[in-house]
Amino acid sequence: DIQMTQSPSTLSASVGDRVTITCRASQSISGWLAWYQQEPGKAPKLLIYDASSLASGVPSRFSGSGSGTELTLTISSLQPDDFATYYCQQYNSYPWTFGQGTKVEIK
Amino acid sequence: QVQLVQSGAEAKKPGASVRVSCKASGYTFTTFGLSWVRQAPGQGLEWMGWISAYNGDTKDAQNFQDRVTMTTDTSTSTAYMELRSLRSDDTAVYYCARDAIAARPGWFDAWGQGTLVTVSS
Repeated sequence: DIQMTQSPSTLSASVGDRVTITCRASQSISGWLAWYQQEPGKAPKLLIYDASSLASGVPSRFSGSGSGTELTLTISSLQPDDFATYYCQQYNSYPWTFGQGTKVEIK
Repeated sequence: QVQLVQSGAEAKKPGASVRVSCKASGYTFTTFGLSWVRQAPGQGLEWMGWISAYNGDTKDAQNFQDRVTMTTDTSTSTAYMELRSLRSDDTAVYYCARDAIAARPGWFDAWGQGTLVTVSS
């Protein structure tokens, strides 16, 4: 199985900050990666697919980059709605696997 | 709009089985596959398996291979996930999630609201 490791696990930031979350894969996944945002008590919401494609309706402050074993999610200017937990998910090979999550907290 | 509506919370004893349903609407059910993903309390997301709503083909995660059965009923546009031999560590919220692209399993663009399954003696 491909292991996905996110860093950091927790991130404290302020509104307006630029935030970057990294997802490292135990083997190359090319660009077969999605990013999700999850608020407490809610289902995850798709943000990015194919490493860098923005999902429909997602604000342009979210962007994804990278390929191979190191991929990143960047929020260019953190907004109040963005304080949540973020997960990466690889779909290069079965079983699909998720990172352990990164919680973005208010500083 | 695409909607996935799941069945209600369940409380089960260890060793029992649970079946969770996921009723789809707003799209042609047989065109998109569905995955099941679970989340234990305070933990991350765990993919359990995938089913083609077109022909019933499945892919299971090794962790669940012997205990999980995924099925679909195309007449009611409903997917089902049955988990057997429940243990306390199966306590989790179970989600169904739809493939974003027809005939291309990968990422998920729609999720059910989640079903809490509690396993306790």
